[in-house]
Amino acid sequence: RKEVEQDPGPFNVPEGATVAFNCTYSNSASQSFFWYRQDCRKEPKLLMSVYSSGNEDGRFTAQLNRASQYISLLIRDSKLSDSATYLCVVIILTGGGNKLTFGTGTQLKVEL
Amino acid sequence: DAGVTQSPTHLIKTRGQQVTLRCSPKSGHDTVSWYQQALGQGPQFIFQYYEEEERQRGNFPDRFSGHQFPNYSSELNVNALLLGDSALYLCASSFYQGVGGYTFGSGTRLTVV
Repeated sequence: RKEVEQDPGPFNVPEGATVAFNCTYSNSASQSFFWYRQDCRKEPKLLMSVYSSGNEDGRFTAQLNRASQYISLLIRDSKLSDSATYLCVVIILTGGGNKLTFGTGTQLKVEL
Repeated sequence: DAGVTQSPTHLIKTRGQQVTLRCSPKSGHDTVSWYQQALGQGPQFIFQYYEEEERQRGNFPDRFSGHQFPNYSSELNVNALLLGDSALYLCASSFYQGVGGYTFGSGTRLTVV
């Protein structure tokens, strides 16, 4: 079983739609959680951190459920510029420091 | 304030050859991690360097080795290249093994033929 699992998509949605991505992680020692965005042939860039209390940044809302080991990202009023791959990332703290563990990524295509 | 810089941006090598990829961390960062991203996959952790030592290692064979220099820059070396080593190699820098988050470089795209 992969440490971080995501539905690879693609999710094809019309502009203005609301879309939700889910992610599950297997290691209960996971400490920190993030969503990264990766455009085609570019490096991943931090979109937002994820907290149990939930957090919102404009049109983006992230949520963590530690009991179910589940992370979500909600995008409201989708824009064409939101088209990208969204990577779920978990940090596991070990004796040697932190390690980022990525999911496969979920591809989003926003269409006119 | 320079971000993470990687060189070269693209590279084509033949099976069996050796390759060295380079990374300069963001100013103020002292930790460098390397990731391999195959097409259609998420980045896979290779190893992390802090204080010139390999601190953590992912599930990669010994053909993958690295080094960190006193100025915090880092190299990734891959020996005896296989076709399956073709991927985007990403370097990420951070402060003190991840405190404050990670910044990624734009990567080196390696093609093995």
